[in-house]
Amino acid sequence: GAGVSQSPSNKVTEKGKDVELRCDPISGHTALYWYRQSLGQGLEFLIYFQGNSAPDKSGLPSDRFSAERTGGSVSTLTIQRTQQEDSAVYLCASSPGTMNEQFFGPGTRLTVL
Amino acid sequence: KNEVEQSPQNLTAQEGEFITINCSYSVGISALHWLQQHPGGGIVSLFMLSSGKKKHGRLIATINIQEKHSSLHITASHPRDSAVYICAVRWGAQKLVFGQGTRLTINP
Repeated sequence: GAGVSQSPSNKVTEKGKDVELRCDPISGHTALYWYRQSLGQGLEFLIYFQGNSAPDKSGLPSDRFSAERTGGSVSTLTIQRTQQEDSAVYLCASSPGTMNEQFFGPGTRLTVL
Repeated sequence: KNEVEQSPQNLTAQEGEFITINCSYSVGISALHWLQQHPGGGIVSLFMLSSGKKKHGRLIATINIQEKHSSLHITASHPRDSAVYICAVRWGAQKLVFGQGTRLTINP
């Protein structure tokens, strides 16, 4: 079946612009995660959704970052007033539940000029 | 200090060699994941374990809960095993905390 998909695969934007990154999880997966991997750095957690529960936003680096998940499926990560330090690969993962293996999407490479 | 430490950071070996990558963490966990990231960037989950040992093909993962340590072994290594291997731990039911990764290069 289809895996986790993300769009766009690459995004180049100018400093100060807003960007939206999309994640389509595997159908039926109730848990959805956003991670970030900056150049030469490890992965870091951003935000987590589980069913209808309030999301865990503890990893969001600033209030310029927000995410929503509509209808328990598709998720959008929004970065407002982008800065050069936001340049990274943004990865989405989903899992059938919170205690299960996570399946990763291919990521969106964001470059802020 | 990173809560998840991997060693070595880089490892180069010849085809056929037995490979071991280590992961140590600081507090009790609910699960530990081993992930593989290929040069193109895609991440694949290899194992999720909370105790004992798991095997899949030439890959073996072990975890020692008391010593807060896990190892990933690759038997009969092959150039296609070249990738970054990432250890990630979960405390409770939610987010993963990642190690810095081990870059493995297998030469033919």
